[in-house]
Amino acid sequence: DADVTQTPRNRITKTGKRIMLECSQTKGHDRMYWYRQDPGLGLRLIYYSFDVKDINKGEISDGYSVSRQAQAKFSLSLESAIPNQTALYFCATRGGQNLYNEQFFGPGTRLTVL
Amino acid sequence: DQQVKQNSPSLSVQEGRISILNCDYTNSMFDYFLWYKKYPAEGPTFLISISSIKDKNEDGRFTVFLNKSAKHLSLHIVPSQPGDSAVYFCAASVTGNQFYFGTGTSLTVIP
Repeated sequence: DADVTQTPRNRITKTGKRIMLECSQTKGHDRMYWYRQDPGLGLRLIYYSFDVKDINKGEISDGYSVSRQAQAKFSLSLESAIPNQTALYFCATRGGQNLYNEQFFGPGTRLTVL
Repeated sequence: DQQVKQNSPSLSVQEGRISILNCDYTNSMFDYFLWYKKYPAEGPTFLISISSIKDKNEDGRFTVFLNKSAKHLSLHIVPSQPGDSAVYFCAASVTGNQFYFGTGTSLTVIP
């Protein structure tokens, strides 16, 4: 089983709709992240959380919100989707004990906003 | 403003030869650098990293070089194999908080 899972894997929605992307992990990591990938722009950080009570904005948080329901779950919401939020979204986790370690990514959610 | 830049969107290399992927950064406070590899329809996977106290780190066919004065790092793959064909992202952070990613370089290894 995958350590970091994302649901749904693909989603098509309409402008103005509310949508939630979910991320779950079995790695026991305390740190979780949401990124979006756009062609030519790489991965950009939307939000990150160092534990259940800690939520931080990333580079591009406008138009998004998050919820850390438990250590293992981190959800990303688009309250009113717009076409320029069409992108590939990745969740990632990272253990916090060591400052110098890598992130583990989920398989991604491809979101299309019409 | 992009703090981590990969100026080559794509690179093609013959199988068995060396692949060199480059990355430049602007923030002198970055102290940890990583390379990730991404296949289509999958999330990025960690490849190799280096801290700012080192100038080289090696793991099998993969070596990362860091030139702090030039704010430049590079990934060398020797010998290149067709299975190395993927998009490579470099990333950087300050004490492991936020990670900043480059735009990626698509490597094609020609058999």
